[in-house]
Amino acid sequence: AQSVTQLGSHVSVSEGALVLLRCNYSSSVPPYLFWYVQYPNQGLQLLLKYTSAATLVKGINGFEAEFKKSETSFHLTKPSAHMSDAAEYFCAVSKFGNEKLTFGTGTRLTIIP
Amino acid sequence: DTGVSQDPRHKITKRGQNVTFRCDPISEHNRLYWYRQTLGQGPEFLTYFQNEAQLEKSRLLSDRFSAERPKGSFSTLEIQRTEQGDSAMYLCASSSTSGGAGGETQYFGPGTRLLVL
Repeated sequence: AQSVTQLGSHVSVSEGALVLLRCNYSSSVPPYLFWYVQYPNQGLQLLLKYTSAATLVKGINGFEAEFKKSETSFHLTKPSAHMSDAAEYFCAVSKFGNEKLTFGTGTRLTIIP
Repeated sequence: DTGVSQDPRHKITKRGQNVTFRCDPISEHNRLYWYRQTLGQGPEFLTYFQNEAQLEKSRLLSDRFSAERPKGSFSTLEIQRTEQGDSAMYLCASSSTSGGAGGETQYFGPGTRLLVL
């Protein structure tokens, strides 16, 4: 079975600082990995996805994530945080990339002015 | 492309009542998923359809829950005899399986927030 673990339910960074949100996965097959963002009272928006084409994946809003098989990780980063990045972030995994998503418990990102 | 829409956005009901939610996927998306999200948790898979066929149901989906997608377009999720534990955000997502080797992307609607009193 596929699963993801997000370390840190709450992360606070100063505006302009590096954002690092951690995600580790467990999968019996090569995984498809996703990062979604959720703003208050809204649905989820896809930030980026890993499909084995490239280990460094660039997404929207300046975010990127690197797939590291040796560490079973897919951490999300952004070089410089903006106030508008404050939201909940979810890592998810899918088997074969064409079925249900299994989500982590989420990380709430707070940006300090 | 107007995105995935869900109706209603909010629903308050009393325990024991039945409720029905609707999801309209992105047009021509052949897959439709339902997830449930409780406070402080990530979404959990409930069920999904490919066209009108319901292909998988989670063990979370008790017999009080039923979902349909009669013509392969919109879908409904009904909860009978609601319980306080059913209070959650119900999310719908749609995707197309024609995406090829890159895997499919699920596009989520805004959700229906259910409160059972």
